[in-house]
Amino acid sequence: GENVEQHPSTLSVQEGDSAVIKCTYSDSASNYFPWYKQELGKGPQLIIDIRSNVGEKKDQRIAVTLNKTAKHFSLHITETQPEDSAVYFCAADSGGSYIPTFGRGTSLIVHP
Amino acid sequence: ETGVTQSPTHLIKTRGQQVTLRCSSQSGHNTVSWYQQALGQGPQFIFQYYREEENGRGNFPPRFSGLQFPNYSSELNVNALELDDSALYLCASSLAQGNTGELFFGEGSRLTVL
Repeated sequence: GENVEQHPSTLSVQEGDSAVIKCTYSDSASNYFPWYKQELGKGPQLIIDIRSNVGEKKDQRIAVTLNKTAKHFSLHITETQPEDSAVYFCAADSGGSYIPTFGRGTSLIVHP
Repeated sequence: ETGVTQSPTHLIKTRGQQVTLRCSSQSGHNTVSWYQQALGQGPQFIFQYYREEENGRGNFPPRFSGLQFPNYSSELNVNALELDDSALYLCASSLAQGNTGELFFGEGSRLTVL
C-alpha cells in the first residue's frame, strides 16, 4: 500500500516568514495529493490539493508543488500569520483506491 | 448546509468493553470514511462505506466494524476494546465513491480505554 513520509514534525517560524513542509510517497500510481490543516480540537480541513497532471498550484499565500518523478510534494506558506499555527497533514491516494493515506503531520508554530 | 457531526465527543471505556460511535454525514454526501488518529499521529484509514456497502478497509482487525444507513449516516463499532484503541476517531464524508476529492471531517470522538 501507499506510504507517506512527512518532514519536519515540528516547524517554528516568526510571523511574516515562509514555511515549507515536505512529503514523499511510495505509490507511483498515486494521482491526488491533498493537504489538510487541523486546529486544536477540530477535525482536519482541506486547504489545498493537487493532481498528478499539474506541477504547481497556488491559492493566495499557500502553494503546493509536485514532482512525480521524485515522488515528492511540498506545501509552501508565505507571509505566515499566528492563525496559521496548526498541524498540517499531507496525503496521497493509492492509485485505483481513491482513499488517501496521511503523513504523520507537521506542527507549525508561528510566533508573533 | 449541515456539516459532519459525530457523537459522543468524549467517552471512557474499560478493556474488553464494546463501543459504538456515530456520524451524520454532510447533506448530499453518500460516502463515509472512518479514521483513527492516535495522539501525535496522522489519521489512519479504518474503512469506507458507499451506499451502505463497505468499500475499502485499512489494516484493522475484524473487531472494528461499521454500518451505513439509508440516510448515509454511519456507525463505527469496536468490540473487545484494548488500551491501544485509545484515540480520536474521525468520520469524514464525501460526495461520491471513486471520485478522489475533498473529505469533510467531523470533530471526532475521543475514546479513552482504561
